[in-house]
Amino acid sequence: KNEVEQSPQNLTAQEGEFITINCSYSVGISALHWLQQHPGGGIVSLFMLSSGKKKHGRLIATINIQEKHSSLHITASHPRDSAVYICAVRGGAQKLVFGQGTRLTINP
Amino acid sequence: KAGVTQTPRYLIKTRGQQVTLSCSPISGHRSVSWYQQTPGQGLQFLFEYFSETQRNKGNFPGRFSGRQFSNSRSEMNVSTLELGDSALYLCASSLGRPTSSYEQYFGPGTRLTVT
Repeated sequence: KNEVEQSPQNLTAQEGEFITINCSYSVGISALHWLQQHPGGGIVSLFMLSSGKKKHGRLIATINIQEKHSSLHITASHPRDSAVYICAVRGGAQKLVFGQGTRLTINP
Repeated sequence: KAGVTQTPRYLIKTRGQQVTLSCSPISGHRSVSWYQQTPGQGLQFLFEYFSETQRNKGNFPGRFSGRQFSNSRSEMNVSTLELGDSALYLCASSLGRPTSSYEQYFGPGTRLTVT
C-alpha cells in the first residue's frame, strides 16, 4: 500500500462544476502539499498545509490530521484548470512522499 | 525575480554514459531539492541540499549524486546510465530548508532519455 493515496486517478468534468480531489496518507506528517502540473512538466506549488483550511482564489484545501486526509476543491472549474494535481506529504524522515496524481480534464 | 532554471532542458544519452544536470535557484534561496518523475513510479525525492551540504537523501543507488556550490547552484550527476533512468528530473528551491515549512518553487525540469 502506498503511503499516499489519491482519488480519483482521473476526473473529467464540465466547465463550472465543483471539483474535489482526495488524498489519504498513512504516516505522521509535518506538512501536506498540493501541487499542480501542466502538460510539459512544470510544477506549481498550490498549498502547503499542516492544519485546517486554506483558500486561494477558486481553490480550497483542507486537511484533517486525525483522519489523515486532505481534500482539494476547485469551485467554478474552468478548462485552464485541466492539469495533474499531486498530493505530497512530508513525513517522519522529512522527505517528501508523493501521491500518484489525479488527472483533471475540464471540458468547455 | 527570475524563477528556478534548469539546464539542459532535454538530453539524450546512451546506456553506460554519465550525465550532469544543473539547477540555478531563485536568487536568495539557499535550499535545493531534486526529484525524479517517471510514468511508472511518479515523483520521487532524490536529495536535498542546504548551505552546500546534503541534508537528506532518497532511496536511490549511489550512481545518483549531487552537490551544491557556494552560490546555491546545484548539480546532480548520474553515472553508468541505465534505461530506467529515463525521466523528468526536477529541482526545487526554497529560502530555507523545506522541512522548516518554507515554500518550494519548482524548475521546468530536464527531460533525460537514455537509449
